[in-house]
Amino acid sequence: SYVLSQPPSVSVSPGQTATITCSGDKLGGRYAWWYQQRSGLSPALVIYHDSKRPSGIPERFSGSNSGNTATLTISGTQAMDEADYYCQAWDSNTAVFGGGTKLTVL
Amino acid sequence: QVQLVESGGGLVKPGGSLRLSCAASGFTFSDSYMSWIRQAPGKGLEWVSYISPSGTTIYYADSVKGRFIVSRDNAKNSLFLQMNSLRVEDTAVYYCARDPNGAQGWFDPWGQGTLVTVSS
Repeated sequence: SYVLSQPPSVSVSPGQTATITCSGDKLGGRYAWWYQQRSGLSPALVIYHDSKRPSGIPERFSGSNSGNTATLTISGTQAMDEADYYCQAWDSNTAVFGGGTKLTVL
Repeated sequence: QVQLVESGGGLVKPGGSLRLSCAASGFTFSDSYMSWIRQAPGKGLEWVSYISPSGTTIYYADSVKGRFIVSRDNAKNSLFLQMNSLRVEDTAVYYCARDPNGAQGWFDPWGQGTLVTVSS
């Protein structure tokens, strides 16, 4: 079965850039999506089709996908960005999620 | 606005059954691909099932295949998940979500979730 791997945790100082990776075999050949889940809340889409931002998502969120790695970048990270982030893709009629990355804004 | 509201969660014994519901509003439910996704306490997200607008195309995760049945009632803007032969490891918050892309895309929005606890 297809596996997406994410680092369990990433720490960043306020105002700095946070980078969260998602690795999977030939992931760049398929679409990747990213979700933010703040504590106690439901997940919410922050990036679709590798790099597009839904309405209402701040410009500081960006995404890319190439080779075996999709990347979520948060520029000028704010305290409100502290959350769990999950990548997602599809493989053989199955939606696959990465294990999640806990972003801590120190 | 687009809204999904799950219900039907609760405490059930191993081997028991439970039926979850998801009420949709604010969009054309009958044109939408829908999924169930779950999250065990303190764990990550796990996709459970997917159903096409007409209900003719359905997929399940291997972990629930043969035990769970997804269905929908387009006239009532509702999605369902019949869970049978429940196991302790099925304990999770269950979310319903729409796939706005049409098929095998992203999930947006998500409902608030309903907690299913399987315990003796």
